[in-house]
Amino acid sequence: DAGITQSPRHKVTETGTPVTLRCHQTENHRYMYWYRQDPGHGLRLIHYSYGVKDTDKGEVSDGYSVSRSKTEDFLLTLESATSSQTSVYFCATGLAGGYNEQFFGPGTRLTVL
Amino acid sequence: SQQGEEDPQALSIQEGENATMNCSYKTSINNLQWYRQNSGRGLVHLILIRSNEREKHSGRLRVTLDTSKKSSSLLITASRAADTASYFCATDAARNTDKLIFGTGTRLQVFP
Repeated sequence: DAGITQSPRHKVTETGTPVTLRCHQTENHRYMYWYRQDPGHGLRLIHYSYGVKDTDKGEVSDGYSVSRSKTEDFLLTLESATSSQTSVYFCATGLAGGYNEQFFGPGTRLTVL
Repeated sequence: SQQGEEDPQALSIQEGENATMNCSYKTSINNLQWYRQNSGRGLVHLILIRSNEREKHSGRLRVTLDTSKKSSSLLITASRAADTASYFCATDAARNTDKLIFGTGTRLQVFP
């Protein structure tokens, strides 16, 4: 495994509450990604980072923000969770963006009631 | 947005048979990758094929790429029950190589 951990692994929260998911890597990879996975949609990119403090939006970024203050950690924040954000969230890392493979964390199952 | 689409959505076979999955995409790419996901787990990289390659092998896996048709296939030979998983293709975009776009996946069930 590429040394990628996600926390928490499971979370149940209520609509309107803020939620922060954490991704931590020990591989010193430049790129980090947040995806969500929903039935029938495969993996969809939320946000990604190409370096410390350098982030960009993915295809489903509305309602999410990210921060990367150091190489190892990439945080995903739902400012005010909605039921449509119930999903499984995966973090991934990579050395060279789309040129090389990505390494995935174990996922976080988030339920918004 | 550009997205790979896998075909079929689901596939059931017996152990020992071959499994073929197809992926189509929409725009020019630099490379195409295949990933496997076991139930409840993260994705695991299987193989990467660059746009100037036509075929690549890795153990029991064979991947082909036809850039003129914007399609790829993943062949798993002599399948095993342990190959039961979902398989996804992912493409970068020639104009933005920072990220991958994943397809919706093929669910493969291999019966003992």
